[in-house]
Amino acid sequence: GAGVSQSPSNKVTEKGKDVELRCDPISGHTALYWYRQRLGQGLEFLIYFQGNSAPDKSGLPSDRFSAERTGESVSTLTIQRTQQEDSAVYLCASSPKATQETQYFGPGTRLLVL
Amino acid sequence: DQQVKQNSPSLSVQEGRISILNCDYTNSMFDYFLWYKKYPAEGPTFLISISSIKDKNEDGRFTVFLNKSAKHLSLHIVPSQPGDSAVYFCAASKTSYDKVIFGPGTSLSVIP
Repeated sequence: GAGVSQSPSNKVTEKGKDVELRCDPISGHTALYWYRQRLGQGLEFLIYFQGNSAPDKSGLPSDRFSAERTGESVSTLTIQRTQQEDSAVYLCASSPKATQETQYFGPGTRLLVL
Repeated sequence: DQQVKQNSPSLSVQEGRISILNCDYTNSMFDYFLWYKKYPAEGPTFLISISSIKDKNEDGRFTVFLNKSAKHLSLHIVPSQPGDSAVYFCAASKTSYDKVIFGPGTSLSVIP
């Protein structure tokens, strides 16, 4: 496709369960970002992948959160033992090699933890 | 520690008037700044950017002003239109290959 895609678009889960969110970036984009947006709040940086460099994980809120990226393609964000405060929209974005290029965002995954 | 701040969570403006959205940053190493626009249930989309070597960048109805000494930038929309109603995020980065940091956003309502 032409844009960044994310799946699922919506996810409802029970507290304590693990969830996996997927992001397919724009082909050829080497940088990939994950953000979280809680209700009524701004974008919160989670993790950043740039090519083959070690990812910048400085935004991950706890060790229950992890992310992987296969080469310069798909990325998955995993949340283990979900908590109600994990409920948010999880946004993925990709950009060309230089990070000062614009980011192209996916539509997000809306996660609700009951 | 919030490095990019947007102190006005919301702003309401009459159609045809100027909208001014403000952003402040704390990290003097930031050298590239961007504004994104977000409609409900959609991902943010890029609007306009400015490099630290400039103090103004204009694109149609949108102009971004940068005051490096004050660590302040602003987005001006003139004339404002109802379709401009959205959340506007200010963002900044330090260098190439560095992550982009977003502010919390300002919700703009343009009243017809």
